[in-house]
Amino acid sequence: GQSLEQPSEVTAVEGAIVQINCTYQTSGFYGLSWYQQHDGGAPTFLSYNALDGLEETGRFSSFLSRSDSYGYLLLQELQMKDSASYFCAVRDRTAGNKLTFGGGTRVLVKP
Amino acid sequence: EPEVTQTPSHQVTQMGQEVILRCVPISNHLYFYWYRQILGQKVEFLVSFYNNEISEKSEIFDDQFSVERPDGSNFTLKIRSTKLEDSAMYFCASSPLLGNEQFFGPGTRLTVL
Repeated sequence: GQSLEQPSEVTAVEGAIVQINCTYQTSGFYGLSWYQQHDGGAPTFLSYNALDGLEETGRFSSFLSRSDSYGYLLLQELQMKDSASYFCAVRDRTAGNKLTFGGGTRVLVKP
Repeated sequence: EPEVTQTPSHQVTQMGQEVILRCVPISNHLYFYWYRQILGQKVEFLVSFYNNEISEKSEIFDDQFSVERPDGSNFTLKIRSTKLEDSAMYFCASSPLLGNEQFFGPGTRLTVL
């Protein structure tokens, strides 16, 4: 089966940088995705890594090391609106293209 | 911008009743999914659907559950004989054939009393 571990909560101030780590165990790994979810809202896609290295999308970056079964999401220049839960999710090599989500990291941004 | 829509936004039902949750995926997408999220917990995969058949399902998706694409636009999840533990937010998602992003709908909050 699959399992993903990520910290449960992180608190930071506006303008700071936050790194959310994710370690995973899975068979048939295909790629690692990150989703943002505000309270009461739907998960929203942030980024995807299939190969080792860093992917940058504006203030958010995501990193993957396949050999270490590890990835992280980097949130830069934190804004109040970034307060949300962030989930890593593994996409595996199955016919169904399913995502297996981690438990989520709640990020609280303070003024 | 195209989006996934779901109805109803909130469904309250009595234990043992049947419910149908409805979704309209993005029109040119070919993969459809149902996930659920129990309050305060992680998002859990239920089922994926491609080419008019189930392509993968989780252990949660037992005989109580079924999915259907009754026409060219709707995608439904039927839960027979609901149980208290079925109370959760149910998300529909869709994705293109080739692509890494799954687009989630706003969810249906199911409350079983």
